[in-house]
Amino acid sequence: AQKVTQAQTEISVVEKEDVTLDCVYETRDTTYYLFWYKQPPSGELVFLIRRNSFDEQNEISGRYSWNFQKSTSSFNFTITASQVVDSAVYFCALMYSGYALNFGKGTSLLVTP
Amino acid sequence: EPEVTQTPSHQVTQMGQEVILRCVPISNHLYFYWYRQILGQKVEFLVSFYNNEISEKSEIFDDQFSVERPDGSNFTLKIRSTKLEDSAMYFCASSDTGLTGELFFGEGSRLTVL
Repeated sequence: AQKVTQAQTEISVVEKEDVTLDCVYETRDTTYYLFWYKQPPSGELVFLIRRNSFDEQNEISGRYSWNFQKSTSSFNFTITASQVVDSAVYFCALMYSGYALNFGKGTSLLVTP
Repeated sequence: EPEVTQTPSHQVTQMGQEVILRCVPISNHLYFYWYRQILGQKVEFLVSFYNNEISEKSEIFDDQFSVERPDGSNFTLKIRSTKLEDSAMYFCASSDTGLTGELFFGEGSRLTVL
């Protein structure tokens, strides 16, 4: 099966807290790509990161960081010092041998002042 | 910055009517996609298109749906006879290199079927 599981449906944090969004994936392919997208209340899908299956280096971009672990089939996303503008639905997605992105159900993050 | 543009942003239609959603992908991109998102649910793949033909489609993409690239710039999704359950946000996306490329999404077209 090829699927993405985001077990956290909703998370609520207070501004400046760190928050980690979990993503677990399943695939039979050895070559695949993992993505995170942000969907703010306005509805568009904003690309955050793409990771290929051969690159397990963690990545940091400003307050965002990603932890890719093939051993546990996880690609978790951490926001450090969260801000109100981070409030959105975050989707993890898997692209494998085809051309389709297989999205998880999303995690709704609410950051309150 | 180049972007994928979609029209209309919102369309309301009666059940049974035909709807065409339009997309202008990024100009040098070769791979095109349609996804949909029913309100409050996850984003679902509908179809991918490359070299003027469908390269992959999901089980959602039944005979009521069709895609076309009528000219060098537009990429359209047609729903022949809309049903209530077709109400969703439809996202167009494009990529320059398929599997290895970043997928750029448009802002979506919201379809409401009454």
